Amino acid sequence: QKEVEQDPGPLSVPEGAIVSLNCTYSNSAFQYFMWYRQYSRKGPELLMYTYSSGNKEDGRFTAQVDKSSKYISLFIRDSQPSDSATYLCAMSRGGSYIPTFGRGTSLIVHP
Amino acid sequence: SAVISQKPSRDICQRGTSLTIQCQVDSQVTMMFWYRQQPGQSLTLIATANQGSEATYESGFVIDKFPISRPNLTFSTLTVSNMSPEDSSIYLCSERTSDGGETQYFGPGTRLLVL
Repeated sequence: QKEVEQDPGPLSVPEGAIVSLNCTYSNSAFQYFMWYRQYSRKGPELLMYTYSSGNKEDGRFTAQVDKSSKYISLFIRDSQPSDSATYLCAMSRGGSYIPTFGRGTSLIVHP
Repeated sequence: SAVISQKPSRDICQRGTSLTIQCQVDSQVTMMFWYRQQPGQSLTLIATANQGSEATYESGFVIDKFPISRPNLTFSTLTVSNMSPEDSSIYLCSERTSDGGETQYFGPGTRLLVL
């Protein structure tokens, strides 16, 4: 079992839909949870960063962490074609530990 | 976050040759990393580039194949040596925030195709 599991998709939704992207993990020591967005032919861009459990909202994006279930989510409200990208989750134990990344989920928002 | 640039942005190389990728950060950073991203796969850490000392390689990666330099706090290079088609990938430079934060920021990547 991989430490971080993420469905690669693709996930195709109509413009305006609410998108839910998810990752599961097995290492209970993870404390820091991140979402990156990667457009085609670009490097990953940090989108959301959360410490421990709970929710964090930034505009149309909400990151949710459920440590009891070892499950994290990224919600995108009112999705736009410009949201079409690959979304990678990442998580870390903190300190000197390097984050572990998921495979990424390809999202396509069609007009 | 620091702004990271990489050169070249892409290249097509013949097997058996070597390519050096440059990574420049616009401010001094504590930690720099090199990743490989193959199609449909997660980011794989190749090594941590240590300033003033030898890089720290992850399991499966060796210095002879991926020599790394880091002469100062803003610059690093990764060389992909004696390339084969299996080395075709995206190579990403990354830095960790110098304030001790847990997040990492990435450069735009170098797309390498080995024929």
